Amino acid sequence: QQQVKQSPQSLIVQKGGISIINCAYENTAFDYFPWYQQFPGKGPALLIAIRPDVSEKKEGRFTISFNKSAKQFSLHIMDSQPGDSATYFCAASTDKLIFGTGTRLQVFP
Amino acid sequence: KAGVTQTPRYLIKTRGQQVTLSCSPISGHRSVSWYQQTPGQGLQFLFEYFSETQRNKGNFPGRFSGRQFSNSRSEMNVSTLELGDSALYLCASSSGIQGASTDTQYFGPGTRLTVL
Repeated sequence: QQQVKQSPQSLIVQKGGISIINCAYENTAFDYFPWYQQFPGKGPALLIAIRPDVSEKKEGRFTISFNKSAKQFSLHIMDSQPGDSATYFCAASTDKLIFGTGTRLQVFP
Repeated sequence: KAGVTQTPRYLIKTRGQQVTLSCSPISGHRSVSWYQQTPGQGLQFLFEYFSETQRNKGNFPGRFSGRQFSNSRSEMNVSTLELGDSALYLCASSSGIQGASTDTQYFGPGTRLTVL
């Protein structure tokens, strides 16, 4: 019940395309859903986060869509750029962060 | 403001040994959390310290322990190392004021531990 399931494991997108990463959870006590971006040799960095009382949050090219009834949330990266190539982790939290397994995104020019 | 720093960055140990990793949080942050990252298990929460007290703990054996000092710096210790302990150990700091749920965690670059 503490798991966060993330898909796909890897994603290849052409420059300018839309990247979509999906996550699902079971524990309805989760009340905070952040997305982290990790580049090789670096620690994860917070990208964008959402609370369950909001269905969508947009920051620049990054959008979180949240479906509370389905217990799913997703990250959309619009106009994907080669610099977006990284590993993305969804997470859910009550008193500690539970991470998804990660999605390796590659954006080709 | 300086970010989260972790030392050492790389470490090689043999089975049975013990190891201590260090983390210096962002200035003013009082909460430090530790995570283990492996290709197979992903990012897993080890424990969180706030004001020198362990506030939360993940599902790791007692060989994994930590502590926090009065200046918020934290150390993590792993005793009787096993091959499976090879991983990237990440430290994250946060203000700790809002509570762990929505308090943004800032990660350090990690310590890469290899157990031979």
